[in-house]
Amino acid sequence: SQTIHQWPATLVQPVGSPLSLECTVEGTSNPNLYWYRQAAGRGLQLLFYSVGIGQISSEVPQNLSASRPQDRQFILSSKKLLLSDSGFYLCAWSTSGNEQFFGPGTRLTVL
Amino acid sequence: GQSLEQPSEVTAVEGAIVQINCTYQTSGFYGLSWYQQHDGGAPTFLSYNALDGLEETGRFSSFLSRSDSYGYLLLQELQMKDSASYFCAVRDTGFQKLVFGTGTRLLVSP
Repeated sequence: SQTIHQWPATLVQPVGSPLSLECTVEGTSNPNLYWYRQAAGRGLQLLFYSVGIGQISSEVPQNLSASRPQDRQFILSSKKLLLSDSGFYLCAWSTSGNEQFFGPGTRLTVL
Repeated sequence: GQSLEQPSEVTAVEGAIVQINCTYQTSGFYGLSWYQQHDGGAPTFLSYNALDGLEETGRFSSFLSRSDSYGYLLLQELQMKDSASYFCAVRDTGFQKLVFGTGTRLLVSP
């Protein structure tokens, strides 16, 4: 069966510090991978998606970046965090495009 | 671009039936999905409709009318554990990505 891992579960970082969030998927090959951010009580905002190794599409201009160094690994990064980067970050995978499976998420607080 | 509209909140009592509506405006359409998210948790997939009509999965059913750009999620025999946020989502034209609605918070009371 397929599983998706995200870490860390929670993170508190000062403004201006770097960020690296990692997501890995097991039990499937060549999945589509997605990074979302969710502000408290709000909907899901798609940040990046990837259909293959090294292929990244950015949805929203911001100080975040994503990379896919391996087929089942997706990394979200920032060189300098802003207060507005606080939120719940969710990684998801899909093979059909219609049904997505989400990881447990990382709750990021930037102080 | 794509936009989806859902009511922000719906309340109901245990054992009742509730319907959560979703209207969408899209340049293309591949199907309508529904997700459930409990507070503090990750969204989980509930259903997917590509064609018009009703899809039933246990206590949950989802309906789609492509001509009306409209769908709904029907929850029957409500339980306290159904209290959560529910999101509709449409697959974007030509890309394997979803656009999510703003979500409907369902509160089930005893």
